[in-house]
Amino acid sequence: EVQLVESGGGLVQPGGSLRLACAASGFTFSSYSMNWVRQAPGKGPEWLSYISHRSRTIYYGDSVKGRFTISRDDAKKSLYLQMNSLRAEDTAMYYCALLAAAGHGVDYWGQGTPVTVSS
Amino acid sequence: DIQMTQSPSSLSASLGDRVTITCQAYQDISSSLNWYQQKPGKAPKLLIYGASNLETGVPSRFSGSGSGTYFTFTINSLQPADFATYYCQQYDSFPWTFGQGTKVEIK
Repeated sequence: EVQLVESGGGLVQPGGSLRLACAASGFTFSSYSMNWVRQAPGKGPEWLSYISHRSRTIYYGDSVKGRFTISRDDAKKSLYLQMNSLRAEDTAMYYCALLAAAGHGVDYWGQGTPVTVSS
Repeated sequence: DIQMTQSPSSLSASLGDRVTITCQAYQDISSSLNWYQQKPGKAPKLLIYGASNLETGVPSRFSGSGSGTYFTFTINSLQPADFATYYCQQYDSFPWTFGQGTKVEIK
């Protein structure tokens, strides 16, 4: 069974940093590209970042480019999102996702980890 | 960025009704479109991929069609489990983008 379990969310002040982690199991993590997607309260999902297998290709959404960094550790079967210079508008539920859009035919999301940016 | 415009933003329907949601892309995205269902407090669930392909295990009352810039999503014979919010998502080019959602409520 595929499982994606996010951690690392919480309350942070504007301008602060957080590092999210996603522990993957139930599939060959190293063979798949991975994504981070967030959803602000009452809003639709917003795709944030993509990392290919072997980390060869990385993409970011415009709203986080230059502030967030995606990375992965295949030995630990883990995905990360380093978030710097956080703003109030970054407040959202953050999901780790294995998306069908990447072309590998499966679509799985974690349960999400909440991030609140507030003073 | 490719903007996705969904309509309507919400609708009220009765059990057994046929419901149709549309999604328009700002530019040609071929068939690179997915449809998701989301219930409160849960992650989105993929229903349709490649504009018209039913994800494994998804009931056949759900269907999708379209290509290029105009897409439709249909629920035939609305069931209690179908009251949720639905999103389209384009994956023709990065950044991947979602529509703003359509909330399907009970009339």
